[in-house]
Amino acid sequence: KAGVTQTPRYLIKTRGQQVTLSCSPISGHRSVSWYQQTPGQGLQFLFEYFSETQRNKGNFPGRFSGRQFSNSRSEMNVSTLELGDSALYLCASSKLGLENFNEQFFGPGTRLTVL
Amino acid sequence: DQQVKQNSPSLSVQEGRISILNCDYTNSMFDYFLWYKKYPAEGPTFLISISSIKDKNEDGRFTVFLNKSAKHLSLHIVPSQPGDSAVYFCAASNSNTGKLIFGQGTTLQVKP
Repeated sequence: KAGVTQTPRYLIKTRGQQVTLSCSPISGHRSVSWYQQTPGQGLQFLFEYFSETQRNKGNFPGRFSGRQFSNSRSEMNVSTLELGDSALYLCASSKLGLENFNEQFFGPGTRLTVL
Repeated sequence: DQQVKQNSPSLSVQEGRISILNCDYTNSMFDYFLWYKKYPAEGPTFLISISSIKDKNEDGRFTVFLNKSAKHLSLHIVPSQPGDSAVYFCAASNSNTGKLIFGQGTTLQVKP
């Protein structure tokens, strides 16, 4: 059974640009959550999508947005990049959603560097 | 506002000894707690969890203790093995919101 995949694995952008990250969940999983990991801050919840609808949202500015497609694949977009957006972006998938906490499976992440 | 805190950035123990990782939280509405382990270049993997109605949960070498009055939980690994060397994250949630709030992580090094 294939795990959660994220593309690209590494990305370098400059300030002001925008970026789109992709996440393919485990087959059959309908929920995809996104997290930002930075040194000293741990993993911070960005948002969760379930059946193409955003169900939960963290405390991030509107520059961070996402969407989910009918095949459950999800994309995350960050516009007008800032240096502080440099981080590891992780997505996690689960069958039913955030209620099944111990069944959240994480992808390897996308390392974004903003210069 | 860090609702979940892991105050020790790193911990080093000898193989065979006990590893104790600590986590504190501030939100009394949290009712579910989890520990994740993360190796470099991989995503976090679920390790063990505990509901607020319990004060202990054990799974093999891993035991999680919850002290609700102190808003504190800990993960005990006995005996520690070199393969346990990783970053450990604690996380907390309220069943009503469903969002997981993570701590900053503790890097565990188990020396042979």
